[in-house]
Amino acid sequence: KQEVTQIPAALSVPEGENLVLNCSFTDSAIYNLQWFRQDPGKGLTSLLLIQSSQREQTSGRLNASLDKSSGRSTLYIAASQPGDSATYLCAVYHLGDMRFGAGTRLTVKP
Amino acid sequence: DAGVIQSPRHEVTEMGQEVTLRCKPISGHDYLFWYRQTMMRGLELLIYFNNNVPIDDSGMPEDRFSAKMPNASFSTLKIQPSEPRDSAVYFCASSLGTINYQPQHFGDGTRLSIL
Repeated sequence: KQEVTQIPAALSVPEGENLVLNCSFTDSAIYNLQWFRQDPGKGLTSLLLIQSSQREQTSGRLNASLDKSSGRSTLYIAASQPGDSATYLCAVYHLGDMRFGAGTRLTVKP
Repeated sequence: DAGVIQSPRHEVTEMGQEVTLRCKPISGHDYLFWYRQTMMRGLELLIYFNNNVPIDDSGMPEDRFSAKMPNASFSTLKIQPSEPRDSAVYFCASSLGTINYQPQHFGDGTRLSIL
């Protein structure tokens, strides 16, 4: 059974710092991996989707990498801003099964 | 563009009552998903539809849960009878194209409390 783990569970950084969020999964047989953002009381917003054949995806200040063989993905946020404060979740998908990590709660302090 | 719309936003009801959650996907999207989020179990995929047809309902916890999609613009998730352990936030999401390649768009969820 696929298990997805996110470390750390919470992270607090000063504005302007570059940071890395980690996601690991136990079964490398995946179709894709997604990174989401969730604000309090809201649904999830898809940030980046990486196909199993891809190594990374970039959108603005965000860069996500995928190493399927080692079961790892990272989300890199450059020049963090207070508006980046949210919970970030990763999810892996395979054959109708989507598994989410518990998320990393990020706080960016002004 | 209007996003995924869920109703109600909050529902409080007593154990044993029937609960119906509603979802309107983004127009033109052909995939619809229902999720449940709790502190203990995180986010779980319950069921998803393609072109109004249920494709995989292996995540539905038990027979008390049922989901329908009578047309491309409306879906319901029903719990009958409800139990306190069903208390959670239920999300609906839709996507254009298969989940293999397309990101999902989530609604703001229905916070369900069963007393």
